[in-house]
Amino acid sequence: AQSVTQLGSHVSVSEGALVLLRCNYSSSVPPYLFWYVQYPNQGLQLLLKYTSAATLVKGINGFEAEFKKSETSFHLTKPSAHMSDAAEYFCAVSEQASGGSYIPTFGRGTSLIVHP
Amino acid sequence: DTAVSQTPKYLVTQMGNDKSIKCEQNLGHDTMYWYKQDSKKFLKIMFSYNNKELIINETVPNRFSPKSPDKAHLNLHINSLELGDSAVYFCASSQGRAPWETQYFGPGTRLLVL
Repeated sequence: AQSVTQLGSHVSVSEGALVLLRCNYSSSVPPYLFWYVQYPNQGLQLLLKYTSAATLVKGINGFEAEFKKSETSFHLTKPSAHMSDAAEYFCAVSEQASGGSYIPTFGRGTSLIVHP
Repeated sequence: DTAVSQTPKYLVTQMGNDKSIKCEQNLGHDTMYWYKQDSKKFLKIMFSYNNKELIINETVPNRFSPKSPDKAHLNLHINSLELGDSAVYFCASSQGRAPWETQYFGPGTRLLVL
């Protein structure tokens, strides 16, 4: 079974500072990994995803993530935080279930707080 | 135009009642999902349908019954509501059922059981 672990339920940064949100996965096969963002009172939307092409994945709103197989990590970064980045961020992995279906499994989420 | 829509947005009801949540997607996707997000923001899949066929059913009480009249709609009916059912329920869709598919989420239905 695969799972994801997000280190830190809350991350606080100043506006303009580097954003680093951590995600580690456990998998015996190459995973498909995702980062989603949830703004207050809204549904989730995709930031970026890793599908075994380039290990450095660029997403929307200036975010990017690097797949590191040796560290089983897929950390999300942004060089300069903006107030509008304040949201809940979820790392997710596709996990194969019985019958050949894939179950999206989400981490517990990291709340990003941006200070002026 | 909303890609994935849910109704109602808010639902407040008494224990023991039966309620339904509706979901529609206009993206032409084949696969739809129901998720439950608890008060700690933990998101867990409940069901998934592909072309009206149930493909994922994750240890959800029998009181929850999904129905997909066509591939653009996936409704969730809940019988005998309990306090622990209070949560935000998200509908989502994806083009297909491959592991690399992006999920498109609706705005959520906030259910409060009193």
